[in-house]
Amino acid sequence: DQQVKQNSPSLSVQEGRISILNCDYTNSMFDYFLWYKKYPAEGPTFLISISSIKDKNEDGRFTVFLNKSAKHLSLHIVPSQPGDSAVYFCAASRGGGADGLTFGKGTHLIIQP
Amino acid sequence: DAGITQSPRHKVTETGTPVTLRCHQTENHRYMYWYRQDPGHGLRLIHYSYGVKDTDKGEVSDGYSVSRSKTEDFLLTLESATSSQTSVYFCAISEYVGAGEAFFGQGTRLTVV
Repeated sequence: DQQVKQNSPSLSVQEGRISILNCDYTNSMFDYFLWYKKYPAEGPTFLISISSIKDKNEDGRFTVFLNKSAKHLSLHIVPSQPGDSAVYFCAASRGGGADGLTFGKGTHLIIQP
Repeated sequence: DAGITQSPRHKVTETGTPVTLRCHQTENHRYMYWYRQDPGHGLRLIHYSYGVKDTDKGEVSDGYSVSRSKTEDFLLTLESATSSQTSVYFCAISEYVGAGEAFFGQGTRLTVV
């Protein structure tokens, strides 16, 4: 049973517009959420995170929103740039748990010129 | 970039042979993880370590074993490789548990023929 779900395998957005990537989770024990970006033939790289005590975290063009009641988070990229084309993974962890991150299946973001 | 080195980067092996993948870190992080990435599955945790000689199973541990005799090295062994273990394997390290991001290596592409 998937605990972290990314229901859109791919998303195409025009350069300069907003990209919105969505993620849902089912495990109420998760209290820390992260987004990773992955280019082909490379390891995932950390992008941005949010603690469950917050509902928004912003870093430059990237903003993550968390809706705990809906068990939903989203990543907004504004404005979208060609270098943003990559696979984005949503991940979650339990506070105090050493058992790593639980990942979604990823969303392939394609930025169209 | 976090100092994580995976070796080998690519390997082709025959069914039934043992295979060992190595993860080496220079960050002195306590927590280390092995994930596999497969199409349609995202990243799934195989095994993790929370200290020297302290390891535990992840979501997809069958057919794999690990060892951590030094802080800097985390080995993943396929005792008898099968075609279902053809995958891309990623090592990750983390300084904190539950509230810190994990840093990933470049990955090892393993093909079992």
